[in-house]
Amino acid sequence: DQQVKQNSPSLSVQEGRISILNCDYTNSMFDYFLWYKKYPAEGPTFLISISSIKDKNEDGRFTVFLNKSAKHLSLHIVPSQPGDSAVYFCAASGPASGNTGKLIFGQGTTLQVKP
Amino acid sequence: DVKVTQSSRYLVKRTGEKVFLECVQDMDHENMFWYRQDPGLGLRLIYFSYDVKMKEKGDIPEGYSVSREKKERFSLILESASTNQTSMYLCASREYGQPQHFGDGTRLSIL
Repeated sequence: DQQVKQNSPSLSVQEGRISILNCDYTNSMFDYFLWYKKYPAEGPTFLISISSIKDKNEDGRFTVFLNKSAKHLSLHIVPSQPGDSAVYFCAASGPASGNTGKLIFGQGTTLQVKP
Repeated sequence: DVKVTQSSRYLVKRTGEKVFLECVQDMDHENMFWYRQDPGLGLRLIYFSYDVKMKEKGDIPEGYSVSREKKERFSLILESASTNQTSMYLCASREYGQPQHFGDGTRLSIL
């Protein structure tokens, strides 16, 4: 029972275009969501987050959208660059985590940005 | 910058061996975590610790144990390694209210 799902294992986009990565969750108690990026042979690095009191958060080329009614979030990268090619994980947490910071991760989506 | 250091990048062990994976963070973080990453399964939490000598099971603790004797160090122990524990192991630490910071991982192969 995967509580956080990334249903697209891979995505290929042309340089300069928009990349949209999707994530669905089942637990309506989740109230904080994060995106991490992972290059091969490196650990994941934090990219952007959003609290459930917002529906959008923007940081440079990266924007995360949250649709609570649909239990869906998406990461938009505009414009996409070849250096964005990586595996992207979404993650969620909720009140049940308390102050432990425990996260539930999705399966990951591999993004390839072609020059 | 937060630095989370995992002692080995690559490790090869034999079935039945006791295996120790070490993780050290330099930012005095309270919370530390051990995950394994497998294709198609994402990151799955094995154990986490919210203080020295305090630990809690994650989603897949079977076959593993942990030790946190000092705040900066969190060790993952495979009591008797098996081939299904071949995986990428990732350690993370976190300051309260902040995102987790990850080490570069240990790719463990059990033969």
